[in-house]
This record gives sequence, C-alpha cells and structure tokens, in this order.
Amino acid sequence: KAGVTQTPRYLIKTRGQQVTLSCSPISGHRSVSWYQQTPGQGLQFLFEYFSETQRNKGNFPGRFSGRQFSNSRSEMNVSTLELGDSALYLCASSLGGSGVYEQYFGPGTRLTVT
Amino acid sequence: GIQVEQSPPDLILQEGANSTLRCNFSDSVNNLQWFHQNPWGQLINLFYIPSGTKQNGRLSATTVATERYSLLYISSSQTTDSGVYFCAVTPYKLVFGAGTILRVKS
Repeated sequence: KAGVTQTPRYLIKTRGQQVTLSCSPISGHRSVSWYQQTPGQGLQFLFEYFSETQRNKGNFPGRFSGRQFSNSRSEMNVSTLELGDSALYLCASSLGGSGVYEQYFGPGTRLTVT
Repeated sequence: GIQVEQSPPDLILQEGANSTLRCNFSDSVNNLQWFHQNPWGQLINLFYIPSGTKQNGRLSATTVATERYSLLYISSSQTTDSGVYFCAVTPYKLVFGAGTILRVKS
C-alpha cells in the first residue's frame, strides 16, 4: 500500500506571496492532519480534516488554511508569507480521528521564505 | 494543555551499546506513538503504544499509562539508528515532545 505523499517536496517563496501544499493520504484513510516543524518551536499541530470537514485547529493565524476533498486529499494554504513561515510542513493520515488511530506521516514539504 | 517531556535531550553511543529513552506526559491520553526522524525529515513510525509492551527487532517500548510515562529501548545500537526520536501523545491531536537526538558512533 502506498504511503502518504506530499508535493512539492521543496519550495522557495518570497515574503508576501502565498503557497499551496498538497497531501495525499494512505488509501482508505479519511483523516488528514498538518504539522509545522521549526527548530525553535518543534512540531506543532496546524489542523485536522475528516470527511472534508475541519475538526480541530491549532494556534496559528488565519493566514494558514486548509481543505479536504472528497477523495481525502488535502491542501493547505499560507497567504502573505512571512520569514517565520519557513519550516518543514508535515502531513499525516489516519483511518479516523487522530485521537485514537495511529498516524502515518508523509516526507514533508520544506518551505523557505526569503 | 498536555505537556510532553523527553529525556535525555542528547545521547551519544558507541555502536553495539544499549539505550533507554524516556517520555513523560502530564495527562491521560488516548494514544502514544514513538517516531524516528531521519536526516531527510521523514517521521518513521516505530510504535503505536497507548499501553503495554511491544517489541520490533532490536527496539522495544513500554507505556505505563497510569503513571504517565513511556520508555523506548534500543539494543545493540547501529549507526543507522542515529537521528531524532520523538514521543507524541494525543488528547485529540498529536502533541510532540522536544525529541532525543541520538548519535551512534562506529
């Protein structure tokens, strides 16, 4: 069974631009969660989607948004990029809600904002 | 919110040595996972272990949920074990510890 895939793997953007990252979960998994990893803050939860609905949201500004499609694929968008948004963005999928089921991570998208 | 503490923060081992990594958490949880992050950033699942003991080759893990801690044992360490080990727990989302950086020297 194929694992979680994320595209693109690397991205360089300029301050003020916006970016869209994509995540395809493991086949049959309906929950997708997004995490941000930075050297200073570690791994932090952004949001979780289940059956196209956002179920939980972390403590991030409204510039960070996401959505999930009917095939469970998910996208996250960051608008008006800031230097501090440079990070590794990780997507995780699970059968159901992340509170109970094991989560599996994709390889990540490394975003650099200049 | 729930707090997750991992110890030690850094660990240097000689190849072949054994080690124990610890994860303490501050509240009851639905789930606990151990991950190994490779140099490219990928989080590799090691164990899904909300309670009890599991073994997978040279690695084993034990979670004592009533006392709010988990241990990851690595035996006969190899250089390929190097990397960062994370413990993460879920109330409803994964809350990660700061990780243990493991360096195995040949």
